[in-house]
Amino acid sequence: GDSVTQMEGPVTLSEEAFLTINCTYTATGYPSLFWYVQYPGEGLQLLLKATKADDKGSNKGFEATYRKETTSFHLEKGSVQVSDSAVYFCALSESRASGGSYIPTFGRGTSLIVHP
Amino acid sequence: KAGVTQTPRYLIKTRGQQVTLSCSPISGHRSVSWYQQTPGQGLQFLFEYFSETQRNKGNFPGRFSGRQFSNSRSEMNVSTLELGDSALYLCASSGGDVVTGNTIYFGEGSWLTVV
Repeated sequence: GDSVTQMEGPVTLSEEAFLTINCTYTATGYPSLFWYVQYPGEGLQLLLKATKADDKGSNKGFEATYRKETTSFHLEKGSVQVSDSAVYFCALSESRASGGSYIPTFGRGTSLIVHP
Repeated sequence: KAGVTQTPRYLIKTRGQQVTLSCSPISGHRSVSWYQQTPGQGLQFLFEYFSETQRNKGNFPGRFSGRQFSNSRSEMNVSTLELGDSALYLCASSGGDVVTGNTIYFGEGSWLTVV
């Protein structure tokens, strides 16, 4: 079945540091890939997505590239801020046409803590 | 465009009671799914409704149930509450088909505490 593996957290960085959160996946078809962010006490917000190989999703300074050859979708940001402190979830979703159900498979989440 | 709206945001219930949570999806979305989030188990899928029919179901006991109305609004119900049901319950909506896409959007969640 489908699965998503994220690096264990927490990831602790100083403000303006470079961020990478690793995400690899296993899928039977050709999934869409997503990053969601959850700030304390809130629901999950869609951060970015990519729907085909070599697509780059980007939003709020975050980027991730769909790498089919390495089955990866690593999240990066060049300069993190204290306000980026949150939990980040990687997810995949397969279409019904490729035998999936649209129900996303989520990773366990990676907590990011940014210090001033 | 309004996002996914969940009510109530916070509630406290006693063991053995039942609870109903409500979710209004993004306008035009026909798929509504529910998730349970706890520190120990992470994000777990409960069920998904599409056009008033349960289309997918996770691995939860029958005490957890849901329904969807003709306007796509959804409710989930948990009967005979247990302490372990204390969690953040998240609702998410999407177009739900190949035309409208499979990106899901979450609400703020309902925090349930069972005492």
